Amino acid sequence: QLQLQESGPGLVKPSETLSLTCTVSGGSISSSSYYWGWIRQPPGKGLEWIGSIYYSGSTYYNPSLKSRVTISVDTSKNQFSLKLRSVTAADTAVYYCARGITTWDYWGQGALVTVSS
Amino acid sequence: EIVLTQSPGTLSLSPGERATLSCRASQSVSSTYLAWYQQKPGQAPRLLIYGASSRATGIPDRFSGSGSGTDFTLTISRLEPEDFAVYYCQHYGSSPSWTFGQGTKVEIK
Repeated sequence: QLQLQESGPGLVKPSETLSLTCTVSGGSISSSSYYWGWIRQPPGKGLEWIGSIYYSGSTYYNPSLKSRVTISVDTSKNQFSLKLRSVTAADTAVYYCARGITTWDYWGQGALVTVSS
Repeated sequence: EIVLTQSPGTLSLSPGERATLSCRASQSVSSTYLAWYQQKPGQAPRLLIYGASSRATGIPDRFSGSGSGTDFTLTISRLEPEDFAVYYCQHYGSSPSWTFGQGTKVEIK
């Protein structure tokens, strides 16, 4: 059974960089034709796709966040990571990692990241 | 950019009743790329429906999806207590990109 688990700091200061890692178990991140993505949800609000990395390493980002986002993969550790630069309070959210193609069929449990000084 | 608008924002119903949720796209989309998710408090979303009308693995048959073009519907034939949750529609675009609707909350009346 595929499992995804987010990890990283729960508190980030304004203007700094938010960094999260998603560890995948129960399957190889590089062996299948899937996207590995990050999706976030501000408290009490809806879902927003941040970006994705294809198993081949190609990356795709939400245009509204593209200038601040980098997604990378470490196949040796079966992990992929999110970096979001120059954060503000508006970036406070639960961040989910997920696997999918046209839909997201496996999700992590989510990691709450608060942006505050 | 496709915008998905869900209605109503909140649906107040009793267990056993039928729920009808709407998702309208700002332009015509392929039904192949329209999906629905359920999210309960404190949990990650769960895929319910893909391809507008196909149930994901393990989803009960009281959940059904329909629609085409710009108008899509999620129907829950008889609400069970565990069905009270927030539901999101989602579209996959060719960039690729993934867009979500703002959600419909189904609450107990």
